[in-house]
Amino acid sequence: NAGVTQTPKFRVLKTGQSMTLLCAQDMNHEYMYWYRQDPGMGLRLIHYSVGEGTTAKGEVPDGYNVSRLKKQNFLLGLESAAPSQTSVYFCASSYPESFLDTEAFFGQGTRLTVV
Amino acid sequence: EDKVVQSPLSLVVHEGDTVTLNCSYEVTNFRSLLWYKQEKKAPTFLFMLTSSGIEKKSGRLSSILDKKELFSILNITATQTGDSAIYLCAVGTSGTYKYIFGTGTRLKVLA
Repeated sequence: NAGVTQTPKFRVLKTGQSMTLLCAQDMNHEYMYWYRQDPGMGLRLIHYSVGEGTTAKGEVPDGYNVSRLKKQNFLLGLESAAPSQTSVYFCASSYPESFLDTEAFFGQGTRLTVV
Repeated sequence: EDKVVQSPLSLVVHEGDTVTLNCSYEVTNFRSLLWYKQEKKAPTFLFMLTSSGIEKKSGRLSSILDKKELFSILNITATQTGDSAIYLCAVGTSGTYKYIFGTGTRLKVLA
């Protein structure tokens, strides 16, 4: 029962480097989300997707890009990492509301440090 | 702008105490309100509320929603040290099904 799996779990980047965070879900969920969590800030939505091939901006999209080429995967990219992107990143997925009112299921998080 | 506000930001109690956590919201197209518990890693789901006045209960935890006054409360009775965590409130919005989170309440229960 994998649920939502994030890769990697930890990463240290130098300023200006790029990386991709991978989120994979095996629950056939339509909707997927990327959040970042900073101390005292709760969870802030970066980007989300309502289906394969679609993406949309959340509250804090600047400096990030996303892709949803396959329904089960949602990738978050940082093209040129900055220290302000040091955070814990969470991926989540859920059913569409037309099917079932349900909660979002979360991955275990990726702790990213940009030095 | 959609907004979810939680209070208090942090709380320290002793085992056996009862606590009430608050969540107020201002969002367009409200669909549901959710409570999560976050210990060290991923948030874990506690409750989803969609209708006013109907209490949801799980053991020592309970929650209720007031859609007229736009708030929810999460009650924890007879607290235990294992209840120490960050409690997150989120609102699901209709149309594009986004979850907007509050800043969380950090609860510490002392033995």
